[in-house]
Amino acid sequence: DAGVIQSPRHEVTEMGQEVTLRCKPISGHNSLFWYRQTMMRGLELLIYFNNNVPIDDSGMPEDRFSAKMPNASFSTLKIQPSEPRDSAVYFCASSLKGNEKLFFGSGTQLSVL
Amino acid sequence: GESVGLHLPTLSVQEGDNSIINCAYSNSASDYFIWYKQESGKGPQFIIDIRSNMDKRQGQRVTVLLNKTVKHLSLQIAATQPGDSAVYFCAENRSGGYQKVTFGIGTKLQVIP
Repeated sequence: DAGVIQSPRHEVTEMGQEVTLRCKPISGHNSLFWYRQTMMRGLELLIYFNNNVPIDDSGMPEDRFSAKMPNASFSTLKIQPSEPRDSAVYFCASSLKGNEKLFFGSGTQLSVL
Repeated sequence: GESVGLHLPTLSVQEGDNSIINCAYSNSASDYFIWYKQESGKGPQFIIDIRSNMDKRQGQRVTVLLNKTVKHLSLQIAATQPGDSAVYFCAENRSGGYQKVTFGIGTKLQVIP
């Protein structure tokens, strides 16, 4: 298995632009998580899906952030409009069950200028 | 004002020595604990886990100890190698309802050759 696949690996954009991050979880995993990592705040959970349904989005910073999981093999995290303070590494992770160990992707390094 | 990032605790260990990384968790309802290793430029990677019905679990060169009385977790790495240099996170989770993994701030392990 290729593991959790995230794209793009790096994204540089200008303030105000829309950013879409993509994730393909491990096949057969029914839970998917989006995390954000910064030097200031460490690793923060943004949103958690179980069986493609958002269960907890309390970590989503504000309305500019949205996440979807249209099917079991794909999820997106969208930021519109992006701001410089959104600059971070965004990780997607999946697990076989929501309470089991997580498998992380390589992350997307986002820089908003 | 000046922005301040997280100051990760740092543990420096001589190559070949044993390492002990400590973690305190906060939720007495947590019943599943996981250690992750994050190398530079990569996502966190699962190392070992332990459930609350156990006090100790061993893997290859790693041992996790759980003290539920004082809500303390430790990761012991035997014969530390340069490849062990990374940031180590402990994560706590609880079963029932939905599962939400909470990460600690991490400890940076530096292995001195």
